[in-house]
Amino acid sequence: RKEVEQDPGPFNVPEGATVAFNCTYSNSASQSFFWYRQDCRKEPKLLMSVYSSGNEDGRFTAQLNRASQYISLLIRDSKLSDSATYLCVVTELNQAGTALIFGKGTTLSVSS
Amino acid sequence: GAVVSQHPSRVICKSGTSVKIECRSLDFQATTMFWYRQFPKQSLMLMATSNEGSKATYEQGVEKDKFLINHASLTLSTLTVTSAHPEDSSFYICSARDGDRDYGYTFGSGTRLTVV
Repeated sequence: RKEVEQDPGPFNVPEGATVAFNCTYSNSASQSFFWYRQDCRKEPKLLMSVYSSGNEDGRFTAQLNRASQYISLLIRDSKLSDSATYLCVVTELNQAGTALIFGKGTTLSVSS
Repeated sequence: GAVVSQHPSRVICKSGTSVKIECRSLDFQATTMFWYRQFPKQSLMLMATSNEGSKATYEQGVEKDKFLINHASLTLSTLTVTSAHPEDSSFYICSARDGDRDYGYTFGSGTRLTVV
């Protein structure tokens, strides 16, 4: 199985801080890349897609470097509500179709 | 947006019994369904991929005779954990792909299985 590796975490930051998460993937054939957010005991929810040109959504910025097989997520002005586990996700083509392959996740805890 | 309904959300069963988990796509046709398992503090691990009307493709190390997957219609997929044991206790979650939307992966809310 191809791997998706993430920062081990946890990240404990105060409100207002800027925090960056990194991710590397080993399957050079991966076509699509995402960051998902998972709250405790809940299903993962799509945070944003990641493109080579970079993608920004409010306080969140994602970057993809295909040559280095590296993905990043930057969160600016952290809020208490940002506390969650952030999952780096890539797609992988298998016999039945294209599946999402998840990293182990990085836990973020934002405190007041 | 696309919604996937997963039931039950929580189930406790005795060792040796079987448990069926259902996932329904409510407002779209799920041409492909994925089943994942997540142990505490671990990532979601893909168990199997199924396309409507065909047999599921299982990932290496996943016993197809233990985890029966049926994807008989475009809106329903089921996972049956047969002869469950305590080590099968986990968070099971399905994901459906809306074939009409690029990368339209939608997740069910998950099923927390405890085998006692």
